[in-house]
Amino acid sequence: EVQLVESGGGLVQPGGSLRLSCAASGFTFSNVWMNWVRQAPGKGLEWVGRIKSHADGGTTDYAAPVKGRFTISRDDSKNTLYLQMTSLKTEDTALYYCNTVYCPNSVCYPWGQGALVTVSA
Amino acid sequence: SYELTQPPSVSVSPGQTARITCSGDALPKKYTYWYQQKSGQAPVLVIFEDTKRSSGIPERFSGSSSGTMATLTVSGAQVEDEADYYCYSADSSGYLWVFGGGTKLTVL
Repeated sequence: EVQLVESGGGLVQPGGSLRLSCAASGFTFSNVWMNWVRQAPGKGLEWVGRIKSHADGGTTDYAAPVKGRFTISRDDSKNTLYLQMTSLKTEDTALYYCNTVYCPNSVCYPWGQGALVTVSA
Repeated sequence: SYELTQPPSVSVSPGQTARITCSGDALPKKYTYWYQQKSGQAPVLVIFEDTKRSSGIPERFSGSSSGTMATLTVSGAQVEDEADYYCYSADSSGYLWVFGGGTKLTVL
């Protein structure tokens, strides 16, 4: 069974840092490009960034609001995706999800329940 | 910055066909993905690569794309299809991805 389980969320002050993890299981994680997506309370979905597989270069891309503050990385030996967040702002408050649009044999991998990040003084 | 435009809401009666559109300049060259998000739940990918239905998704859901517009069609919408629907695609460079603003589908 494919699972993505986010962890590491919590309450942090503006200007602080936090690292989220996404533990993947049930598929060959190292082959898959992974994304982080967030959803502020009562708002729509927002793409945060993406990391390619190491075979495809392992490069990262970020949405403008987080570029320079957030860093995505992966540890394929641990089947884990990370999101390092620094210089956090109140507008970064959201539920953070990891996901992929990879759908082998039309079986698309489900999202986890997300990790809640609250940035507040 | 790149944007995908969706109508804020679509409303149909049960059994009618609902069509949710998504417009974007790069859609002629980039795949569109459609997510369904029911209240309090994580999003579910219902259509990938413009037209392919995810396993387990009812056949009444279909996707199409023509020019700068992609469309999610729910043929014979059911009350249980009430949800927010988001389109998702990349800009022309392929490096930056974006979600549409979301469409609230009401079936009543």
